[in-house]
This record gives sequence, structure tokens and C-alpha cells, in this order.
Amino acid sequence: RKEVEQDPGPFNVPEGATVAFNCTYSNSASQSFFWYRQDCRKEPKLLMSVYSSGNEDGRFTAQLNRASQYISLLIRDSKLSDSATYLCAVSRDDKIIFGKGTRLHILP
Amino acid sequence: EPEVTQTPSHQVTQMGQEVILRCVPISNHLYFYWYRQILGQKVEFLVSFYNNEISEKSEIFDDQFSVERPDGSNFTLKIRSTKLEDSAMYFCASSETGGQPQHFGDGTRLSIL
Repeated sequence: RKEVEQDPGPFNVPEGATVAFNCTYSNSASQSFFWYRQDCRKEPKLLMSVYSSGNEDGRFTAQLNRASQYISLLIRDSKLSDSATYLCAVSRDDKIIFGKGTRLHILP
Repeated sequence: EPEVTQTPSHQVTQMGQEVILRCVPISNHLYFYWYRQILGQKVEFLVSFYNNEISEKSEIFDDQFSVERPDGSNFTLKIRSTKLEDSAMYFCASSETGGQPQHFGDGTRLSIL
């Protein structure tokens, strides 16, 4: 079983729609949780950290369920500029383990 | 906003040669990392470095690889005797402390011929 698993993509979504990404992780010793976005052939860029209490940053809402080892990301009112690959990431000790990512295409 | 910088942006090398990839982490960060991403695959952890020594490394990071912080600002990844399968994007990252979000440089594309 992969340590971090994400929805297979791609997601093709009309502009303005709400998009949900799901992620599960297998190692209960994972300590911190993040969502990154990665544009084609670019570096991962931190989108947000994820906390058990849930956290929101503008149109983006992230949630963590430690009991289920599940992480989610919701994007509301999606924009064309949201088109990218979204990477779920967990950290343990001194490393980050990334999921393979889910590609999102926002359609005009 | 402070950022991690990497040089060169693209390195083309003959198989069997040695390469050194360079990184300047964010200045107040104490933890440094290297990751790689083979085209079409996920970002993979290679090594973490703290207090002038390796704190963790993956199975990928074998004797072919080494890291160094030669001065107060640079952090390097050396790959000896390169192989075709070393072709990938190599990302440097840094964080203030362990477990904190890591900030990535824009990568070095390594092409082994």
C-alpha cells in the first residue's frame, strides 16, 4: 500500500464549480500534513498546512481526520488559474512524503 | 518574500560524469532537503540535513550521492558516476524547523546522456 494515496485524476471542472480532493495516509506516526500545488514542470508550492480543527484560506478549506487518516481539500468558486496538480503531503521525522497528485483542469 | 534558489536550472551531463547541484536555502532556515521527481512520477524524498549532518535519507540516497554545506549559505548535492536513470528534476527545500512546511526551490533539470 502506498504511504500517501490520492484520487486518481484528472478532474475536469467548469469555472465557478466546487472541487474536492481526498487523500489517505497509511502511517499513523505522520506528524504534519499539507497541500501543495504543482504547475507543469515547476516546483511544489505550499498551498496550506492542514490541522485537525480544519482551516480555511479564502476559497480553500482543508480538513484532517487523524482517526481515519484522511485529509481533504475543498476549492470553492474555482478559477482558471486553479488548474494545476494538487499534492497531498505528510511529514514524518525529517521528510515529506508526497502523494502522486491529482491533476485539475478548470474549463472556461 | 524570501525564496530558495537553485543553480543551474538545467544541467546536461554525459553518463559516468559527476554533477554538483547547488542550492541557497532561505537564510533563517535550519533544515535542508533534496527531493527528486522523475518525469511523470511523484516527488520523492532523498535526504534531509540539519546541524551539518544528514538527519535522514531514503533508499534512493546511496553511496552515489552526497550532500554538503560548504559555507554559510550554500547546500549542494553531488552525484558521482551518473546513470541514465538519474535524469530527473531535483528540488532543494528548506524549513525553519523539522516538521514545518518546506519551501521548495524551482529545481534543476538534470539530463544524463
